[in-house]
Amino acid sequence: QMQLQESGPGLVKHSQTLSLTCSVSGGSISGGHFYWTWVRQPAGKGLEWIGRIDISGVTYYNPSLTNRVTISKDASKNQFSLNLKSVTAADAALYFCVAVIEVAGKGTVDYWGQGTLVTVSS
Amino acid sequence: QSVLTQPPSASGTPGLTVTISCSGSSSNLGSHEVYWYQQLPGTAPKLLIYWNDQRPSGVPDRFSGSKSGTSASLAISGLRSEDEGDYYCAGWDGRVSGVLFGGGTKLTVL
Repeated sequence: QMQLQESGPGLVKHSQTLSLTCSVSGGSISGGHFYWTWVRQPAGKGLEWIGRIDISGVTYYNPSLTNRVTISKDASKNQFSLNLKSVTAADAALYFCVAVIEVAGKGTVDYWGQGTLVTVSS
Repeated sequence: QSVLTQPPSASGTPGLTVTISCSGSSSNLGSHEVYWYQQLPGTAPKLLIYWNDQRPSGVPDRFSGSKSGTSASLAISGLRSEDEGDYYCAGWDGRVSGVLFGGGTKLTVL
């Protein structure tokens, strides 16, 4: 059973860069076909897809974030990461990392981390 | 504002069936699969349905999904108190090349 764990600073200053890492266990980030994905959820609000990276390193991002976001992966550490530049209060949220099993170019079942809360200070 | 439209709330009586709708457009539900998630209070979302009507292993058959054109539905039969939570539809949108989530539906079991 694959398990994912988010880590990173819980507090980021306004205009700085938010950096989170997702550690993967029970599976290899360089083996199999997965979409390594980030999703966030502001307090009391709905889910927002941030973006994903696939086995080939191809990335897709939410158009509303594409100018500020980068998702990368590190096979040597079995981790993937999220960098979000120039954060504002609107970026405060619970951030989830997700591993989505890809079949024929489409997502199927997935595994979610427990989420990590990020607060933005002024 | 979500491009996938869900009713903000739904309710049902234990033992009966409730249906949650999700409305999209030709660039998303009209040409790609729909997914449904359940989020219970204080927990990460859980996948209930993928590819319109497929249940992951371990998801009870009380949960079923369907899609027609640019609309999709999640039906929960034999409603239980533990089904109370938020439900989200999701799917790929070819126009923006990204995943969209619906705004979520809060289910109350009366």
